[in-house]
Amino acid sequence: DTGVSQDPRHKITKRGQNVTFRCDPISEHNRLYWYRQTLGQGPEFLTYFQNEAQLEKSRLLSDRFSAERPKGSFSTLEIQRTEQGDSAMYLCASSSGQGQETQYFGPGTRLLVL
Amino acid sequence: AQSVTQPDIHITVSEGASLELRCNYSYGATPYLFWYVQSPGQGLQLLLKYFSGDTLVQGIKGFEAEFKRSQSSFNLRKPSVHWSDAAEYFCAVAARRGGSYIPTFGRGTSLIVHP
Repeated sequence: DTGVSQDPRHKITKRGQNVTFRCDPISEHNRLYWYRQTLGQGPEFLTYFQNEAQLEKSRLLSDRFSAERPKGSFSTLEIQRTEQGDSAMYLCASSSGQGQETQYFGPGTRLLVL
Repeated sequence: AQSVTQPDIHITVSEGASLELRCNYSYGATPYLFWYVQSPGQGLQLLLKYFSGDTLVQGIKGFEAEFKRSQSSFNLRKPSVHWSDAAEYFCAVAARRGGSYIPTFGRGTSLIVHP
């Protein structure tokens, strides 16, 4: 069990650019979640996958955001035409999908949009 | 929709003192409740969770929490705080959505520990 990993850990970009983040869940975890955390706030749910199927999307996930999990393993979160309001920590979590499952969080990707 | 209120933005305690962090939730059905801790540069770590059964829940690192339905509360306690407990603490209530439990987090309480 190597834990949830996220790449990159930090990203600085200019407004209008596209960015992509990657999340590698704990192996054999079939559920994967994305959250956004702004300064001074708790994490807010964005979306989640069971295997490769995207089952839930928050209203926070605007048209500029897209998430994929093509083979049911790692996932990517892309933000197109970034805005300054997108600056936040993007957290990924995974769970086994069984019983009273616990979500295990990665260290996050901190995005700064200039 | 569910919500969580953590009324204290910051809490300062001396090392060795007892700790109680407050959490109130709003949810129409039986709540699933969690406490997470987040240290700088780290992801969230689950301290404890309540799904059903005994309303006093034991967690890791010596933490416990008590579910009080009549008060809609799930306060976190520790009898003796260590300097390493300084971190951000988040309470969350989860609703079952699409087969999983999706937590709604409070805004967090920052714990400062004085030597």
